[in-house]
Amino acid sequence: QQQVKQSPQSLIVQKGGISIINCAYENTAFDYFPWYQQFPGKGPALLIAIRPDVSEKKEGRFTISFNKSAKQFSLHIMDSQPGDSATYFCAASTYGGYQKVTFGTGTKLQVIP
Amino acid sequence: DAGVIQSPRHEVTEMGQEVTLRCKPISGHNSLFWYRQTMMRGLELLIYFNNNVPIDDSGMPEDRFSAKMPNASFSTLKIQPSEPRDSAVYFCASSLAGNSGNTIYFGEGSWLTVV
Repeated sequence: QQQVKQSPQSLIVQKGGISIINCAYENTAFDYFPWYQQFPGKGPALLIAIRPDVSEKKEGRFTISFNKSAKQFSLHIMDSQPGDSATYFCAASTYGGYQKVTFGTGTKLQVIP
Repeated sequence: DAGVIQSPRHEVTEMGQEVTLRCKPISGHNSLFWYRQTMMRGLELLIYFNNNVPIDDSGMPEDRFSAKMPNASFSTLKIQPSEPRDSAVYFCASSLAGNSGNTIYFGEGSWLTVV
């Protein structure tokens, strides 16, 4: 029940296209859903996060869409750029107190010119 | 502003040897995490400290692994004896736990190869 399932495992998108990564969770106690971005040789870094009281959050070219009833959330990268090439992890946790963050398995995104 | 600092960045050791990984969390953070990343298993939480006290060590794979946090600015992860299957990237991370969606800040990792 602690799993977060992420797809696809890898993704190739042309420059200017839309990258979409999907995640699904089972534990209804989760109420905080961050996305982390990891470049080669670096640690993951927080990209954007959402709480389930909203269905969408947008920061620049990055948008999280959230469907509470389906227990699914997704990351959309608009106008994808080669600099967006990285591994993206969705995650889920509870909002306060001890946050045992459960990470998805990661999506390796490659944006080709 | 310094982030999470880990050392060594790269370590190659022979099977059976002791390995010690070190971490300095971000000043003021009260939570510290050790994660392991492999291609097969992704990001796994090994242990979580809050205010220097181990709270959740359910992810520590076996008795060969141990972690300490003697003070708020230093933690170690020790593997003794090391085995080839321990080869992975080990990340230390810290956060300020509280009533908020805490951001976890990762270090750049310690790349361990056991031969």
